[in-house]
Amino acid sequence: QKEVEQNSGPLSVPEGAIASLNCTYSDRGSQSFFWYRQYSGKSPELIMFIYSNGDKEDGRFTAQLNKASQYVSLLIRDSQPSDSATYLCAVTGGTSYGKLTFGQGTILTVHP
Amino acid sequence: GAVVSQHPSWVICKSGTSVKIECRSLDFQATTMFWYRQFPKQSLMLMATSNEGSKATYEQGVEKDKFLINHASLTLSTLTVTSAHPEDSSFYICSAPAGVDSNQPQHFGDGTRLSIL
Repeated sequence: QKEVEQNSGPLSVPEGAIASLNCTYSDRGSQSFFWYRQYSGKSPELIMFIYSNGDKEDGRFTAQLNKASQYVSLLIRDSQPSDSATYLCAVTGGTSYGKLTFGQGTILTVHP
Repeated sequence: GAVVSQHPSWVICKSGTSVKIECRSLDFQATTMFWYRQFPKQSLMLMATSNEGSKATYEQGVEKDKFLINHASLTLSTLTVTSAHPEDSSFYICSAPAGVDSNQPQHFGDGTRLSIL
C-alpha cells in the first residue's frame, strides 16, 4: 500500500468549473498536509497547507481534511487554464516527522 | 516570504564527473534541509535529510558514499553526486522548512537538472 495516494488522472475540466483533487494517506499519526502545484520542468510551489480537520479556504482554493478517514482534498473553484499543472499531495508527521511524503501527483488540465 | 536558492539550475557533464549542487536559505536559517530526486513523470522521492553540524540521514536505498551531503552552516547545504553516471540523470530539488518545526510548510529551491552523458 502506498503511503500517500492520489486520485488517478489526468483530470480535465472546462474553464470556470470546479476541479476536485483527492488524496489518502496511510500513517494515522500524520500531522501536516500540503498541496503543491508543479508546472512541467519546475519545482513544486506550495498552494495550501492544513493541520486540523475541516475546511481551509484561500482565494479559489479550499483544502479539506478528514483525519478519521485519512483523507485530504483540494478544490479549485473557477478553474483557469493557468491552473493546468501537476498537483502533489504531501504529508508529514507521524513516523516521518519533518519528512514530506508525496503522492504520485494528479495532472490537471483546464481547457478553455 | 521564505526563499530557497539552488544552484546550478542545469548541469551537463561526462560520466565519471562529480557534481556539486548548492542549496541556500536566503532570508532564514535552516538547521534542516531536505534533498529530493525526481525522475521524469514521477513524483518527488526524498533522498536524505541534511542536518546542520551533524551527519545527514539517508533514506533506504540511497548510497551515502555516492551522494555526499554537507550542511556546513545554517544557510547552506550541498549535495555532491560523486562519479556520476547516466542513471544519475534526474531533477534534484532541495527544500527547507521556514520555521523551527519541520512539520511546517517547506520551501523548495528551483531545482537542478542533471544530465550525465
